[in-house]
Amino acid sequence: SQQGEEDPQALSIQEGENATMNCSYKTSINNLQWYRQNSGRGLVHLILIRSNEREKHSGRLRVTLDTSKKSSSLLITASRAADTASYFCATDAYGGYQKVTFGTGTKLQVIP
Amino acid sequence: EADIYQTPRYLVIGTGKKITLECSQTMGHDKMYWYQQDPGMELHLIHYSYGVNSTEKGDLSSESTVSRIRTEHFPLTLESARPSHTSQYLCASSGGRVDEKLFFGSGTQLSVL
Repeated sequence: SQQGEEDPQALSIQEGENATMNCSYKTSINNLQWYRQNSGRGLVHLILIRSNEREKHSGRLRVTLDTSKKSSSLLITASRAADTASYFCATDAYGGYQKVTFGTGTKLQVIP
Repeated sequence: EADIYQTPRYLVIGTGKKITLECSQTMGHDKMYWYQQDPGMELHLIHYSYGVNSTEKGDLSSESTVSRIRTEHFPLTLESARPSHTSQYLCASSGGRVDEKLFFGSGTQLSVL
């Protein structure tokens, strides 16, 4: 079974609004990463947060990690139409020698 | 720009054919991965490799096989393709550190008729 699950499965918002996606995982991790995928092509790395970090920022992205709840959230502020894509969380299980597994993904649509 | 390449981009073949999906990277990465992606989005890890002559099966059982004879090359082979193998196959690589990000190829969309 998949290590991570994300919700919502799909999200539709107006341009300028904030988008929040959540990820839950099952086992202890070394780190958690977020990726973006456009139109079913290859994924692109957005941000990585280590297991000993609680929050990280990169431009309009804010990621939080709660290891006690085994969950993470990705916030995209002031969304743009170009942010329309699928977003995935990925975990590197502790002791797993970087065996990276992905969540189920959230489809984000930003309406101009 | 990621230096990881997958060929072909699209492949339509008949049942029973043997196929090889190619994946190459020029970044000298030790770790390489194959993921299978359902039409509905979910990615499944099917194979990974820590380096030359090292391959492991992923979480999703797959009838495909892989080899890692050279660092830069990680091909995936299906000996006898079936319609159930129709999917997108994504190859990725990463460097040696635990906190390295993955670089992805553009994927191969396989359709087996």
